[in-house]
Amino acid sequence: SQQGEEDPQALSIQEGENATMNCSYKTSINNLQWYRQNSGRGLVHLILIRSNEREKHSGRLRVTLDTSKKSSSLLITASRAADTASYFCAPMEYGNKLVFGAGTILRVKS
Amino acid sequence: GAVVSQHPSRVICKSGTSVKIECRSLDFQATTMFWYRQFPKQSLMLMATSNEGSKATYEQGVEKDKFLINHASLTLSTLTVTSAHPEDSSFYICSAGRGTAGHLPTNEKLFFGSGTQLSVL
Repeated sequence: SQQGEEDPQALSIQEGENATMNCSYKTSINNLQWYRQNSGRGLVHLILIRSNEREKHSGRLRVTLDTSKKSSSLLITASRAADTASYFCAPMEYGNKLVFGAGTILRVKS
Repeated sequence: GAVVSQHPSRVICKSGTSVKIECRSLDFQATTMFWYRQFPKQSLMLMATSNEGSKATYEQGVEKDKFLINHASLTLSTLTVTSAHPEDSSFYICSAGRGTAGHLPTNEKLFFGSGTQLSVL
């Protein structure tokens, strides 16, 4: 199993601005997943991008994957106060369990 | 989407007692469930992988006699914290996937319970 490392550790922005979070990992993957966690709650799956994909969209979310650099980014456009949460990436090898990094704490100020 | 129910959401117990946390997949069969522990403002630490009908696989450093895991059916896994101590106080989260033998198939996502806040006095 492997662990993604998110960057930055914390991000504070104004409502309406875009938020970008980055993730780096160490070895080859089959897919990479992003999850969100509201304070004191479980994680919610946001988006999954396969190793042969470079970009994926879901609503206001845009995820990119660069396997040559072993990195991914999550972009939240037109952020809202409700987007305030911790965001985790989870690189996944085939047949492996998900191990999470430290996450990025996003705070969207209204 | 699939729903995972975790109960209780919060429990306070005395030191030395045991606490059981349940994790149920409500609308799908979960051959594999994962138990995580999370300290405030930190990431989730994988404790163990629970496989239906077989013994759980524990991560390094996790005491299997301390954290008993039972996955008796395809929809229920339980974590029992035995002889709880204040240092066991933490947020425990379960998740479920459709994988087999402790693994998830490619492109499988996890469904998480809402977590249990355990406080040991």
